[in-house]
Amino acid sequence: DAGVTQSPTHLIKTRGQQVTLRCSPKSGHDTVSWYQQALGQGPQFIFQYYEEEERQRGNFPDRFSGHQFPNYSSELNVNALLLGDSALYLCASRQGLRRAGELFFGEGSRLTVL
Amino acid sequence: KQEVTQIPAALSVPEGENLVLNCSFTDSAIYNLQWFRQDPGKGLTSLLLIQSSQREQTSGRLNASLDKSSGRSTLYIAASQPGDSATYLCAVRPQDTGRRALTFGSGTRLQVQP
Repeated sequence: DAGVTQSPTHLIKTRGQQVTLRCSPKSGHDTVSWYQQALGQGPQFIFQYYEEEERQRGNFPDRFSGHQFPNYSSELNVNALLLGDSALYLCASRQGLRRAGELFFGEGSRLTVL
Repeated sequence: KQEVTQIPAALSVPEGENLVLNCSFTDSAIYNLQWFRQDPGKGLTSLLLIQSSQREQTSGRLNASLDKSSGRSTLYIAASQPGDSATYLCAVRPQDTGRRALTFGSGTRLQVQP
């Protein structure tokens, strides 16, 4: 049973560029969330998708956008990259929007902005 | 706004010791609390999930307790091993079903010396 998978694992971009990160949820899961983790900090919530709609959003600017596809996979897009966007981006999935189950995380995508 | 604090920020112990990691949160209106482990540069691995109605959960050498009214949780690790070296994060999910994102602490970085 595949867990949460993310791609790419590492990438380097320059300021002003755009990046797309991808996530496939754990089998049987339909709710996907994205988190940003700066070095030495806990993850910060970006947004959550369910039934192809953004259901909740954290305190991130509009440069951060996302999408969920009919097969439940998801993308995170970041436009006009800033140095401060350098972080580990984590995707998490669970089954159902309102259920009390565990949140499962992927290995993350390490973004470096130069 | 929910705030989660983990003390200590770092901990170094000799192999075989029993240890306690602390997590406190400011808003007791939580749905559940989850403990995670994170190895350097990696994603998060779920260790234990405690629902708000529960007092503790156990898995192997790990035991997590929850005192919702006082806003505290502890993770007890028995007979620590070098392989336990990692960062341990706690996260709370709010009771408000309209806001489902986890709020994380900054973690406790544990080093178990052989």
